[in-house]
Amino acid sequence: SQKIEQNSEALNIQEGKTATLTCNYTNYSPAYLQWYRQDPGRGPVFLLLIRENEKEKRKERLKVTFDTTLKQSLFHITASQPADSATYLCALTSGTYKYIFGTGTRLKVLA
Amino acid sequence: DTAVSQTPKYLVTQMGNDKSIKCEQNLGHDTMYWYKQDSKKFLKIMFSYNNKELIINETVPNRFSPKSPDKAHLNLHINSLELGDSAVYFCASSQTSPGQTGNQPQHFGDGTRLSIL
Repeated sequence: SQKIEQNSEALNIQEGKTATLTCNYTNYSPAYLQWYRQDPGRGPVFLLLIRENEKEKRKERLKVTFDTTLKQSLFHITASQPADSATYLCALTSGTYKYIFGTGTRLKVLA
Repeated sequence: DTAVSQTPKYLVTQMGNDKSIKCEQNLGHDTMYWYKQDSKKFLKIMFSYNNKELIINETVPNRFSPKSPDKAHLNLHINSLELGDSAVYFCASSQTSPGQTGNQPQHFGDGTRLSIL
């Protein structure tokens, strides 16, 4: 069955460092991969989308990579700030209306 | 202006009752979704509607019945509520390009927290 795992349930890093979150998938051939941020008591908010034929995408301090051979996406936040603390979710779709979400990683940036 | 709004935000009810959750989006999107997020924060798709037509039904019990009166609304009715239905339910919407799906971001509401006593 299709499975998406994000590297760790929780990740603590020091302010100013780069946070790296991992999204691994099996039994799936996604056409698109998306990253979302979710704050407590709120719905997920879209951050970035990357296509299967793209290796890397950037937006301000955010960078996403997509390796279809390794079946993995990495999500980087450079110069992290306490305001970046949240849960980050990856989501995959093969081009249908069905999005499959990962288990999420709770990031905490320590001041 | 709230893009995707759900009501109510909290719903506390007894086992066996019937309840509804409403969702409205003012983004002009043509596709809407219902998701269930369990206590471990795992977000799982339940239904997807495109232009008021049911596209995805992810083996959800028949007690759950979505209804889309128009493209801007997708409501969820739940019959005979069970303890296992306790979760946060999220509505979302996205715009699909002709012949392409999945390449647009989803916009989520802030969820309805359902607690079954």
